[in-house]
Amino acid sequence: NAGVTQTPKFRILKIGQSMTLQCTQDMNHNYMYWYRQDPGMGLKLIYYSVGAGITDKGEVPNGYNVSRSTTEDFPLRLELAAPSQTSVYFCASSYSGLREQYFGPGTRLTVT
Amino acid sequence: DQQVKQNSPSLSVQEGRISILNCDYTNSMFDYFLWYKKYPAEGPTFLISISSIKDKNEDGRFTVFLNKSAKHLSLHIVPSQPGDSAVYFCAASLTATSGTYKYIFGTGTRLKVLA
Repeated sequence: NAGVTQTPKFRILKIGQSMTLQCTQDMNHNYMYWYRQDPGMGLKLIYYSVGAGITDKGEVPNGYNVSRSTTEDFPLRLELAAPSQTSVYFCASSYSGLREQYFGPGTRLTVT
Repeated sequence: DQQVKQNSPSLSVQEGRISILNCDYTNSMFDYFLWYKKYPAEGPTFLISISSIKDKNEDGRFTVFLNKSAKHLSLHIVPSQPGDSAVYFCAASLTATSGTYKYIFGTGTRLKVLA
């Protein structure tokens, strides 16, 4: 079991560029999440999904989009990158009905 | 409005001694609490949790205590080992009206265990 995998590990974007952060889990978890962590802060929820075809906004969704076409994959899309989106992004998954989340290793994104 | 607070950004402890990490929360609707451990360049990993109907949960060297009246929980690590050096995040969870779970994370405490 690879668990939750994220690509890329690092990325530098110019303002206005777009990119997709990939997230895949092989644990057959229904629930998947995207968080961002800014320096010295806790994790903030961007979007989450309770199953294929179902997504919803978290605390900080502006500037991001998601889709969930399969149970395994939950990509996060940045359309017009801004310096405020410089952060470390974590994808997580969990079984429905259980609270423990399994996290990927993160993607460090810098927008300049 | 920070609903979950970890007021100590860092903590240093001698190997073999007890480490106590604290977490305070404000929302009485939280019904489940979790601790995660995070090493550099890795994602957080689940460590231990406690339901709001309990006041203590133990797993090996790790014990979490919950004081609902004070809205306070703590993580005890006994004995502390150098491999425990990491950032520890407290998270509080509640059941949203949609039936899904909502999580609020603290800002983390960096624990350093000195050999």
